[in-house]
Amino acid sequence: SQKIEQNSEALNIQEGKTATLTCNYTNYSPAYLQWYRQDPGRGPVFLLLIRENEKEKRKERLKVTFDTTLKQSLFHITASQPADSATYLCVPRSGGYNKLIFGAGTRLAVHP
Amino acid sequence: DAGVTQSPTHLIKTRGQQVTLRCSPKSGHDTVSWYQQALGQGPQFIFQYYEEEERQRGNFPDRFSGHQFPNYSSELNVNALLLGDSALYLCASSPRGPGNVLTFGAGSRLTVL
Repeated sequence: SQKIEQNSEALNIQEGKTATLTCNYTNYSPAYLQWYRQDPGRGPVFLLLIRENEKEKRKERLKVTFDTTLKQSLFHITASQPADSATYLCVPRSGGYNKLIFGAGTRLAVHP
Repeated sequence: DAGVTQSPTHLIKTRGQQVTLRCSPKSGHDTVSWYQQALGQGPQFIFQYYEEEERQRGNFPDRFSGHQFPNYSSELNVNALLLGDSALYLCASSPRGPGNVLTFGAGSRLTVL
């Protein structure tokens, strides 16, 4: 069955450092991969989408990579800030209208 | 432009009761998906509605049912509530099409006692 693995333990980093979150997937051949941010008690918010033919995507301080050979995506936040503290969810997505399956997410805590 | 709105925000039920949760999608979106999120877990897909029909379904029992109305709004019904149904229920809307991005509501927090 399709499986998504994200860092199970919380990631604690110092303000100003780069946070790197990992998403590994199995039994998938996703055409896209999406990253969402979720704050406690709130719904997830879309951040970035990367396609299988794109190796890297950037948006302000965010960078996502997509390695279809390794079946892995890395999500980077540079110059991290305490406001970046949240849970980040990875969603590999095949083409078509099938359901979106979320990973459990990685909780990021940025300390001043 | 209003995003996805869900109601109620919080509710408490007892075992065996039934509950109905409501969702209005973002303007311009015609597809609605429902998710269940237990504490510390990622959202689990329940089902997706498009053109008033259930198009995809996750691994949830028949106690979970839904409906989509002509104005694209949707309801999630859960019968014979169990303690394990306590969770945050999220509604997400999207425009039809591959690679579509979900816009989530703030969720309905259900507590079953």
